[in-house]
Amino acid sequence: QKEVEQDPGPLSVPEGAIVSLNCTYSNSAFQYFMWYRQYSRKGPELLMYTYSSGNKEDGRFTAQVDKSSKYISLFIRDSQPSDSATYLCAPGDRDDKIIFGKGTRLHILP
Amino acid sequence: EAQVTQNPRYLITVTGKKLTVTCSQNMNHEYMSWYRQDPGLGLRQIYYSMNVEVTDKGDVPEGYKVSRKEKRNFPLILESPSPNQTSLYFCASSWNRETGRPTEAFFGQGTRLTVV
Repeated sequence: QKEVEQDPGPLSVPEGAIVSLNCTYSNSAFQYFMWYRQYSRKGPELLMYTYSSGNKEDGRFTAQVDKSSKYISLFIRDSQPSDSATYLCAPGDRDDKIIFGKGTRLHILP
Repeated sequence: EAQVTQNPRYLITVTGKKLTVTCSQNMNHEYMSWYRQDPGLGLRQIYYSMNVEVTDKGDVPEGYKVSRKEKRNFPLILESPSPNQTSLYFCASSWNRETGRPTEAFFGQGTRLTVV
């Protein structure tokens, strides 16, 4: 089983819709969980991070972690065309080893 | 402005001709790493460095070398490039865990390398 699994998409949704992006992981040593956003021909940028199970909200974005089921989610409310990008989940362990998911390509249709 | 700078952004070279991709960060980060990104395979770590003169292999180190003589610079060296090293390369830097912050990785803009 791969350490981090993420559906590659592409995922196409109409503007204004709620988007749900998901990852599963297998390593119980992961202690913090990040989401990166990567626009075409750019490097990934940190979008959100969280240490614990539960929800963390930042504007239109909510990160959700369920450590018991090893499941990570990112929700985007009121999606905009500018949200079109690839989203990578990235859990990290206590030794600062970050494992990146392969990313989900998201297209927001105007 | 905090940034990670890679050069060159684009490079086409021939098999066997040694090349170096430079990476520099201005955030005084201790941890730096190199990744390659390929369609369907995602980001894979090549080498990383916890501090000056300390480097270690990542998941796909074969065919690559690195050095860390100064804190701000972490060049990636391909001694004898081959076509299977055609890829998009990213350098990243981040805080050491002793800061108590999560290890947010700041990425460079990428270097698209083609080996013919």
